[in-house]
Amino acid sequence: NAGVMQNPRHLVRRRGQEARLRCSPMKGHSHVYWYRQLPEEGLKFMVYLQKENIIDESGMPKERFSAEFPKEGPSILRIQQVVRGDSAAYFCASSPPGPGNTIYFGEGSWLTVV
Amino acid sequence: AQSVAQPEDQVNVAEGNPLTVKCTYSVSGNPYLFWYVQYPNRGLQFLLKYITGDNLVKGSYGFEAEFNKSQTSFHLKKPSALVSDSALYFCAVRALHSGGYQKVTFGTGTKLQVIP
Repeated sequence: NAGVMQNPRHLVRRRGQEARLRCSPMKGHSHVYWYRQLPEEGLKFMVYLQKENIIDESGMPKERFSAEFPKEGPSILRIQQVVRGDSAAYFCASSPPGPGNTIYFGEGSWLTVV
Repeated sequence: AQSVAQPEDQVNVAEGNPLTVKCTYSVSGNPYLFWYVQYPNRGLQFLLKYITGDNLVKGSYGFEAEFNKSQTSFHLKKPSALVSDSALYFCAVRALHSGGYQKVTFGTGTKLQVIP
C-alpha cells in the first residue's frame, strides 16, 4: 500500500502566479488534511476534507486559497496570486474514517515564491 | 475547544540517558492521542497512539508513551536515547468537535537534541 503521495515535491513560482499542490491519499482513506509549516516551526492546520466535502476550513485564509477533494482523483490545494509569504512546506495527510485511525502524512510539497 | 500543549520547545539529553518529551491535552470527550516524529525536510512519521486499554503504549524505534487521564498527559519516553533520535516531535489529540466531526489538533512540537 503506497503512502500518501504529494506532488510536486518542490515548486517555484513567481509572485502573482498560481500554485497547485496535489495529494493522493492512501488507498481506502477518505479523509484528507492539509497543513502548512514554516522553517523551524510547527504545523498550521489549513483544511480538513472528506470526499466531495469540506469539513473544516477554519485554518485556511479566506482569499487566494482553496481546496478540493473530488469523488475521483487527488485532493488539490490551490493558491492563487502567490506572495512571498506563501513560501512554506505544505503537508497533506490522510486517514480512514473512524476516530481511532492513524493519520498518515505525505513527504510534503515545498513552495518557494520568488 | 480542544488543545494540546508541549511545554518544552527543546529537550537536550545525553546519549544513553532516558528521555521524556511532555504533552498535555484538553478535550471535552474521550481523547485519541498520537505521537509523530519529523526529521529535517521530511513529513511526519507516526510513532504510536493511545486509543483505549493499557495506559502504557509501545511504539516504533523503542518509544513508549503513558496515558494519564487524571493529569491529562501523554508523555513520550524512551529508556536510552540515541543520537539518531534527534528530531522534532509532535503530540496530537483527536476528539469529537462541537461541529459533529473528529477534530485533530497538533502541539507546537518539541525539538529533541541527543548529545553524543
